[in-house]
Amino acid sequence: DAGVTQSPTHLIKTRGQQVTLRCSPKSGHDTVSWYQQALGQGPQFIFQYYEEEERQRGNFPDRFSGHQFPNYSSELNVNALLLGDSALYLCASSTSSGGNPSTDTQYFGPGTRLTVL
Amino acid sequence: AQSVTQLGSHVSVSEGALVLLRCNYSSSVPPYLFWYVQYPNQGLQLLLKYTSAATLVKGINGFEAEFKKSETSFHLTKPSAHMSDAAEYFCAVFTPMNSGYSTLTFGKGTMLLVSP
Repeated sequence: DAGVTQSPTHLIKTRGQQVTLRCSPKSGHDTVSWYQQALGQGPQFIFQYYEEEERQRGNFPDRFSGHQFPNYSSELNVNALLLGDSALYLCASSTSSGGNPSTDTQYFGPGTRLTVL
Repeated sequence: AQSVTQLGSHVSVSEGALVLLRCNYSSSVPPYLFWYVQYPNQGLQLLLKYTSAATLVKGINGFEAEFKKSETSFHLTKPSAHMSDAAEYFCAVFTPMNSGYSTLTFGKGTMLLVSP
């Protein structure tokens, strides 16, 4: 049973560029959440997708956008990259249990390390 | 609002010694709490979770955590550290959102260093 997969593993971009990160959820999961983990910090929630729609967003600017496909995979797009966007971007998948913590456990992928120069 | 505070950004132990990683939470609703581990250059792996069934929760790799409401704590312990336990550990609290669904709010993490 494949877990959560992310691509690419590493990415180097320059300021002002745009980037797309990809995530495939764990088999049987239909909900994808994205997190940003800056160096030395815990992950920060960016947004969550379910049924191809963004259903909640954290405190991130509109430069951060996403998409979910019918097969539940997801993309994270960041426009007009800033140096401060350098971080590990983590994707987590879960089942849509309506907020039941017993079943709504998030499983994380290995992350994409984005470096902005 | 939900938040967690992890005391100590770094904890050093000798191999075979007790591991104690501290986490205190703040929650406006009954808390559900998690511990994740992150090995170098990897994503987060779930160690254990508390969902109100039992206050002492056992996880993988010999770790356990005890929920103490009176102390608003959920400290992670392991009786005997192994070199392979060296990693960063994150405490997280289940966070309901306006949408009615949920996400996680993480602490800043504690790096566990294990010396021979």
